[in-house]
Amino acid sequence: AQRVTQPEKLLSVFKGAPVELKCNYSYSGSPELFWYVQYSRQRLQLLLRHISRESIKGFTADLNKGETSFHLKKPFAQEEDSAMYYCALGWANNLFFGTGTRLTVIP
Amino acid sequence: IAGITQAPTSQILAAGRRMTLRCTQDMRHNAMYWYRQDLGLGLRLIHYSNTAGTTGKGEVPDGYSVSRANTDDFPLTLASAVPSQTSVYFCASSDRTGDSPLHFGNGTRLTVT
Repeated sequence: AQRVTQPEKLLSVFKGAPVELKCNYSYSGSPELFWYVQYSRQRLQLLLRHISRESIKGFTADLNKGETSFHLKKPFAQEEDSAMYYCALGWANNLFFGTGTRLTVIP
Repeated sequence: IAGITQAPTSQILAAGRRMTLRCTQDMRHNAMYWYRQDLGLGLRLIHYSNTAGTTGKGEVPDGYSVSRANTDDFPLTLASAVPSQTSVYFCASSDRTGDSPLHFGNGTRLTVT
């Protein structure tokens, strides 16, 4: 079955420190993977998707098929990065979300 | 402003009552979705619609029904609400199904007492 695991419910880092939000998936085919973000008092929105291989707001995520991971990384965290982050796997008519990680960047 | 509108923003509902959550989009997206967001469980798909006139069941469809009479509207109905349906409900749309990015509404916070 398709599944997305985000092992950390909460993650706190200091401003300027590197941050990595972990995401592992289980899927037998070629996955479509996404990171969505929800800032305080804003709607959930797409941050990035793996096929674009882009960097958004300094964040990158590399698909590692061997480890079935799609970790989200940023070399220097900013206070405005504090938010709820969801990893998601696209398959058929569904988008399977992980349970989310709340990132807090400490000034 | 283009996007998805959900109503109401929040609602307190007595158990056993019927409730319809409204969702309207003006982006002419084919696909629409209803998710519920619960602490520790993330977002789970309730129902979806690939195009007007069609609907499908998601991960947690029991106790909910949807209709898609036209492209823009995708209401979610709780026929007889139960306390376990207390949640935040998000409507979303995309221009294709499956691997397309989703555009989300602001959510409806529903409390069933």
